[in-house]
Amino acid sequence: DGGITQSPKYLFRKEGQNVTLSCEQNLNHDAMYWYRQDPGQGLRLIYYSQIVNDFQKGDIAEGYSVSREKKESFPLTVTSAQKNPTAFYLCASGAQREGLVNEQFFGPGTRLTVL
Amino acid sequence: AQKVTQAQTEISVVEKEDVTLDCVYETRDTTYYLFWYKQPPSGELVFLIRRNSFDEQNEISGRYSWNFQKSTSSFNFTITASQVVDSAVYFCALSERSSSNTGKLIFGQGTTLQVKP
Repeated sequence: DGGITQSPKYLFRKEGQNVTLSCEQNLNHDAMYWYRQDPGQGLRLIYYSQIVNDFQKGDIAEGYSVSREKKESFPLTVTSAQKNPTAFYLCASGAQREGLVNEQFFGPGTRLTVL
Repeated sequence: AQKVTQAQTEISVVEKEDVTLDCVYETRDTTYYLFWYKQPPSGELVFLIRRNSFDEQNEISGRYSWNFQKSTSSFNFTITASQVVDSAVYFCALSERSSSNTGKLIFGQGTTLQVKP
């Protein structure tokens, strides 16, 4: 089945550790996105990538890093520089047409908790 | 500047009632998309609808309907005869052409809908 997978579903991290969240899609979409969701708030864009080997910072990129070595994969690393990393992280992908992205499809999310 | 406002933080209704979720947006672009997503307790966002800025025709899909009015910059979502399974957080979102063609979505804060049996 086509879709987006994220792993792990739950992740616990000690302060000072880097952790990497996985995001894979088999929808053949060029664009991929990482969002952060805090309780009672909407989604905020961390990083996005429109093509392999290229990515741009979103609104809240500080303390995060990404890579896009393959079209299917867009892993997100939460570094120790991120001061408040406890949140729900959602990955999405979308196909572009005429400069506008069609609907974005979301993965099931990873809930990160810093202990 | 682009912005999406969902003024209703939480709504509670009894099953079979109709409910309307409000969405107001701001954009300087003439070309844009509007979206509604549903986020059930499981957390995954489920796409509901995309509306092109040039198409103001209202749309109905089963118990769901959407009212797009450019004159008031609103894109409201109505659920008719609500059911318990409709309980979720609903997000309205905007995507502009001028966002360097990134397809970046700007989300509202979300409206939590609780449908009681």
